[in-house]
Amino acid sequence: GQQLNQSPQSMFIQEGEDVSMNCTSSSIFNTWLWYKQDPGEGPVLLIALYKAGELTSNGRLTAQFGITRKDSFLNISASIPSDVGIYFCAGQSLGSGAGSYQLTFGKGTKLSVIP
Amino acid sequence: ETGVTQSPTHLIKTRGQQVTLRCSSQSGHNTVSWYQQALGQGPQFIFQYYREEENGRGNFPPRFSGLQFPNYSSELNVNALELDDSALYLCASSYSGTEQFFGPGTRLTVL
Repeated sequence: GQQLNQSPQSMFIQEGEDVSMNCTSSSIFNTWLWYKQDPGEGPVLLIALYKAGELTSNGRLTAQFGITRKDSFLNISASIPSDVGIYFCAGQSLGSGAGSYQLTFGKGTKLSVIP
Repeated sequence: ETGVTQSPTHLIKTRGQQVTLRCSSQSGHNTVSWYQQALGQGPQFIFQYYREEENGRGNFPPRFSGLQFPNYSSELNVNALELDDSALYLCASSYSGTEQFFGPGTRLTVL
C-alpha cells in the first residue's frame, strides 16, 4: 500500500534539544495529522492541520501544512525523556465511498532522548 | 468521555483459521475505521464503516470483512488466515470521518 516519505527514520538527541521531522507525498492531501505511538499502544493524535500554509502549535509541538499540500513538518522544542516514541505523519484524503475518509501514514520517525 | 477500546488485546491463531476483532468507538463518534500495522511500518487503511455500511476500502482482499452495529461499535473479521496477517490491528473512531482517534490495538499472531 501507499506510504508517505517520512524522515529521518530515527533520531538520537540530548534532552533539551529541538527536534525536526518531515513528511512528503506525491499526492495532495486535504488534512495532515501527526500522531505519536508508544510501544504496545495505539497512535495518539498530536496535531491536525486543515489548510495549506497553516502553522499550528500544541505546547512544545509545532507543525506546518505545506503550501503545495504535499508535505508537512513537525518540530518539538526543548525535548524531554517522555518525548521518546515513534512519530507518524498521516495525510487524510477522500476514500472510495461517499463521505469516506482514509489516512495514509508514513513509516514513522523513532525518537530517542538521551537524559 | 470514554475512549476507543478494542478486544482482545492479544490473539494467537493458526493458518487457515478465522478471527473476529472488536472495537467500541469513542462516545459521540459515528464512524469506525480499521487499520493493519505490520512491525516497523505505519498503519495501512483496511476499511471504514459509517451508518452500519462499509463506505471506503483500502487494498485488502475480500477475506477481510467487517460490521458496524447501531451503537457504532464494530467488528473486523478475517477468514482463511495467512502468516502475513500477523500484525497489530487498530481501530479508529471519528465523527463523520474527521479527526480519527485510535484504540490500543489487537496484536494478532498467525502460526
